Amino acid sequence: GIQVEQSPPDLILQEGANSTLRCNFSDSVNNLQWFHQNPWGQLINLFYIPSGTKQNGRLSATTVATERYSLLYISSSQTTDSGVYFCAVEDTGGFKTIFGAGTRLFVKA
Amino acid sequence: AAGVIQSPRHLIKEKRETATLKCYPIPRHDTVYWYQQGPGQDPQFLISFYEKMQSDKGSIPDRFSAQQFSDYHSELNMSSLELGDSALYFCASSWLGQFEGYTFGSGTRLTVV
Repeated sequence: GIQVEQSPPDLILQEGANSTLRCNFSDSVNNLQWFHQNPWGQLINLFYIPSGTKQNGRLSATTVATERYSLLYISSSQTTDSGVYFCAVEDTGGFKTIFGAGTRLFVKA
Repeated sequence: AAGVIQSPRHLIKEKRETATLKCYPIPRHDTVYWYQQGPGQDPQFLISFYEKMQSDKGSIPDRFSAQQFSDYHSELNMSSLELGDSALYFCASSWLGQFEGYTFGSGTRLTVV
């Protein structure tokens, strides 16, 4: 099946810093999503981004489907950005989405 | 805006008991997905339903079964519970007609003792 790799696995930032999270996937995908799981366990959809670039406030994402990677940018990080960021891709022709292992982010005040 | 509703939020069961988890998708969403997340792990796909028919299946134990009803809500039935079944169980829904990604419920935390 499709493989999803995220890097870095862990990241510690000072409040106000910027960061880039990466997601590589092994095969063609139907779609790609980025999620944030907060410390209370809630999974929040950040972006549905099969290709191209999207921005939402301090967050933006870019997917280059032909090169099989996606990037999530966090600017001016805040303590509330802490949690785990998951990249998830859907197998072509399937109804299931596979998650990467996530990037665990901790933002220090 | 309406979200995905899961019940119960927390559930404690003994080994070998049965548990039923419920999921109410966002109105108009036609697809429901179930995921299991162990401590410190990423969510693992269990099963999905599109228009009340099973659409895909992941690593779901034979002791588990699920279905989607005529009102689109879904239930995950888990029998002969084992300690290893303790996890967070998420339900998500989406609308295939205008796909914009998954919306997840708040999850059910199952503890098997």
